[in-house]
Parts: sequence; structure tokens; C-alpha cells
Amino acid sequence: GENVEQHPSTLSVQEGDSAVIKCTYSDSASNYFPWYKQELGKRPQLIIDIRSNVGEKKDQRIAVTLNKTAKHFSLHITETQPEDSAVYFCAASPPYNFNKFYFGSGTKLNVKP
Amino acid sequence: DAEITQSPRHKITETGRQVTLACHQTWNHNNMFWYRQDLGHGLRLIHYSYGVQDTNKGEVSDGYSVSRSNTEDLPLTLESAASSQTSVYFCASSPGGGAAEAFFGQGTRLTVV
Repeated sequence: GENVEQHPSTLSVQEGDSAVIKCTYSDSASNYFPWYKQELGKRPQLIIDIRSNVGEKKDQRIAVTLNKTAKHFSLHITETQPEDSAVYFCAASPPYNFNKFYFGSGTKLNVKP
Repeated sequence: DAEITQSPRHKITETGRQVTLACHQTWNHNNMFWYRQDLGHGLRLIHYSYGVQDTNKGEVSDGYSVSRSNTEDLPLTLESAASSQTSVYFCASSPGGGAAEAFFGQGTRLTVV
């Protein structure tokens, strides 16, 4: 099955700086890559996703890039704010498993004011 | 508004007891999933279902069972609770049929003493 690895496990940045979280996946058939944000004590919520026919996607301060050849994808947060502090999960989903997600182990992002 | 809800939100039980966690969604989604979340492990898939009467084992299914008698509900049963099953449990649903967002419930914190 698919295996997703996520780095770093913790990331601390100063407010206003950029943050980058990286994930690799093993199954070249995976074609959907969502990113979830989980605030303390809350449920994971989708913040951005990318499909394998696209190399980059942006939504305001958040962007995701996908390199299919290298089988890795990254989350970029610019101009970080304290409310960006949370745990972020990447996931990969192969088409033959009808939306079965394989999650990375998570990155705890701390944005210092 | 459509939503996905879990109950109870918190549960303390004794070793050896049977416990059932409820998950109910009103989106009419075909796919439903149960994950457990433990520090350092991210979200690990316990069981999943692609429709009524369909259930499948995930990566950490030992000691757990599910049933899908209707579209809306996927209860998770711990047959004989063990301390290793102390965790936060999340239910999720998605429409299926291809790459699509999964929506998570609020989570259930289960403590086995």
C-alpha cells in the first residue's frame, strides 16, 4: 500500500516568516494530495488540495507544489501568523481505493509572535 | 447544514469492556472511515466502508469492528477494550467516486483504565 512520510515533525518560525512542510509518497498511482490543519482539540480540516495533473496550487498565503517524478509534495505558508499555529497533515490517495487516504505523521507548526 | 457528528466526545471505560463509538453523517456520503490519532503516529486507519453492507479493514483493525446498516451511520466497536486502545478516535466521510475532500467528526477521546 501507499506510504507517506512527512517532515519536519515540529517547526517553529517567527511571525511573518515562511514555513515549508514536505511529504513524500511511495505509490506512483496516487493522484490526490490533500493537506489538513488541526488546531488544538479540534477536528482536522482541509486547507488545500492538489491533483496529479497540476504542479502547483495557491490559495492566498497557502500554496502546495507537487513533483510527480520525485513523488513529493510540499505545503508553503507565507507571512505566517499566530493563528497558523496547528498540526498539519499531508495525505495521498490512490485512485483504486475510492478515497482511502494515507496520512503523514503530522507537523506541529508554532508561529511565535 | 449537513454535518458529521460523533458521540460520545469523551469516554472512560475499563479494560475488557465492550465499547461502541457512534458516527453519524447527514451528507449522504458513500464513504466512511474510522481513524485513531496517537502522538507521533498521525492518523491511522482502523476500518472503512464504501457503502451499505460494505466494511473493510484498515492498517490497525485488530480489536475493532464496524457495521454499515445504512448510509448515515458507521459505529465502531471495541470488542474487549485494552489500555493500548486509549486514543482519540476520528470518524470521517467523503462522497467517493474519485478524489474528494474527507470531512471529519469532532473526535472521541477514549481512555481505557
